[in-house]
Amino acid sequence: GENVEQHPSTLSVQEGDSAVIKCTYSDSASNYFPWYKQELGKRPQLIIDIRSNVGEKKDQRIAVTLNKTAKHFSLHITETQPEDSAVYFCAAEYGNKLVFGAGTILRVKS
Amino acid sequence: DAGVIQSPRHEVTEMGQEVTLRCKPISGHDYLFWYRQTMMRGLELLIYFNNNVPIDDSGMPEDRFSAKMPNASFSTLKIQPSEPRDSAVYFCASRTGIDEQYFGPGTRLTVT
Repeated sequence: GENVEQHPSTLSVQEGDSAVIKCTYSDSASNYFPWYKQELGKRPQLIIDIRSNVGEKKDQRIAVTLNKTAKHFSLHITETQPEDSAVYFCAAEYGNKLVFGAGTILRVKS
Repeated sequence: DAGVIQSPRHEVTEMGQEVTLRCKPISGHDYLFWYRQTMMRGLELLIYFNNNVPIDDSGMPEDRFSAKMPNASFSTLKIQPSEPRDSAVYFCASRTGIDEQYFGPGTRLTVT
């Protein structure tokens, strides 16, 4: 079935440290994997995405890696800052719709 | 572009009342999605449309929920009658083809 598992559910890091969030998906036909950041009371906003024809993508302090064989992908945030504190959602595209993971609450302690 | 527009932003209603949520997608986007977000269930896809046609409504919780998209620039999600367990944030999102999906600001619904 259509399923996306996300771990951990909560993550606390010290400012300046790295944070890693991992997701697995069930359908090998999925080809698009976005990550969304949601601040309290706000809408989810896309921060980075990756398609199955690449294994890694970077945008400043954020990177995403994809392992299609193992059906998992990860979000890496380096040099974390207090403003990175939010809920992060991974998603996988099934057909024309996105199925979201349960979310990770990231707290960056200063 | 103003982005995805939703109204109202907040709705408080009594159990048994009809609730109508509205969404205007980004111009040119041919996919429109309705999501419900709660602490317990996360982000759930309720229904989505392509070119104004409902494609998958398997996420609609029960017959009390209905959605329409009469034209490319407007969609509604209706709950009749509403129940306290319907309290949630309802997001509308839109995109075109395989491009990025944009969310609206959401409607926070409280049913007392």
